[in-house]
This record gives sequence, C-alpha cells and structure tokens, in this order.
Amino acid sequence: ILNVEQSPQSLHVQEGDSTNFTCSFPSSNFYALHWYRWETAKSPEALFVMTLNGDEKKKGRISATLNTKEGYSYLYIKGSQPEDSATYLCAFMTGAQKLVFGQGTRLTINP
Amino acid sequence: GAVVSQHPSRVICKSGTSVKIECRSLDFQATTMFWYRQFPKQSLMLMATSNEGSKATYEQGVEKDKFLINHASLTLSTLTVTSAHPEDSSFYICSAKDGLQNQPQHFGDGTRLSIL
Repeated sequence: ILNVEQSPQSLHVQEGDSTNFTCSFPSSNFYALHWYRWETAKSPEALFVMTLNGDEKKKGRISATLNTKEGYSYLYIKGSQPEDSATYLCAFMTGAQKLVFGQGTRLTINP
Repeated sequence: GAVVSQHPSRVICKSGTSVKIECRSLDFQATTMFWYRQFPKQSLMLMATSNEGSKATYEQGVEKDKFLINHASLTLSTLTVTSAHPEDSSFYICSAKDGLQNQPQHFGDGTRLSIL
C-alpha cells in the first residue's frame, strides 16, 4: 500500500513570515509528484507537477523542491499573506497514472 | 485555466434513493476523469478512473454496482450512487485531465452527499 505523509497536519503562521512543510512518499517507482492548494469552498488548484530529482519550481511566493532518492518534497511560502490560508495537498503519481494523496497541511495565516 | 464543473454541490436525500453527480470539463477535452471520495479528516481516496468511451476501472474495495460511472463524451462523466445508504454519506469530488503527460488534474468543487 502506497503511503504519502504530509507534515505538519496544521500550521499557524503570522502574516509576513515564511513557512515550509513536507511531503514524504515512496522513493521507488517514482513518476511524478503533484502539489495542490485547496481553499475552503473551492476546488483544489494545481500548483506544481514535479518529475525530476532535484527539481525546483516556483510560482510567485510559493516554491517547491523534490528529492526522489530519499522520497520527500518541500513546499515553501515566502512572506505569507492571508490569501495563502488553505490546505496544501501533495499527491504521488503511480505508474498507472493514478494519484495517491497525503492528508494535507492546513495552513492558517494570522493577520 | 482549465475549468471543471461538478454538480450538485450538495445533496440530502432519503435512504434508498439513487443520486447522480455530474462532472464536466468546460474548456478542454478530458480523456480521463477520476472520482474521489473523502471521509472526515482523511485524504482524497481514488474510487475509479474513467476513460471516454470505455468502462471505468475501479479501485480495490469500491463496488462497481453501487457506484456507476459513465464517461460517454470527452467533456462529461457521471457518478451514480445507487440505492444510497447512510454509510455512503461522504464528500465526492471529480477531476479531469487531458491526454498529455505530466499535466495536473483539474478538479470540480465536490459534492457533499448526506443520506438520511
């Protein structure tokens, strides 16, 4: 059974501070790792699709890194803003093109 | 960006009722659509994968006679929960993707199903 773990489960950050959280996944048979942002009452929004070991991707103040050999990815948010409050999901793609999701990190930005 | 519309967003109905949930890709052709279910405080769990014009592939433990999936066109997939019971109450969400490699899935808003 594939296991994707995210930590921490929840996080409170002061506005303006930077933060990061982790996604751990199986280090064998790697195809891709997805990150999504899921705001309350909205649909999950794709942030990144990462495929290569050592990948670093950036979208505005959000960036992500990938280590496929040790099976982890970090998501960083620089200078947190209230609109960054959301649940951040990572998902491991299997060889059958299916996504196995972690439980998410619920991020709350305090003004 | 790619838009996926899912409705209804909320259903409350009596036990024994069948409920149909629609998932539409509005601005792209969805060669593959996925149906997920989320129980409280748990992760999104894949129920089934459907490719346009072919039978859905169900994940282990998902009853295909209980959860009927149809993907008759490149823009529409439906999930029908047949003879729903209280234990089927959950959050159901669909996603869609085109045929290109290494592309994200595009999600609907989800459907909260409550069976009384």
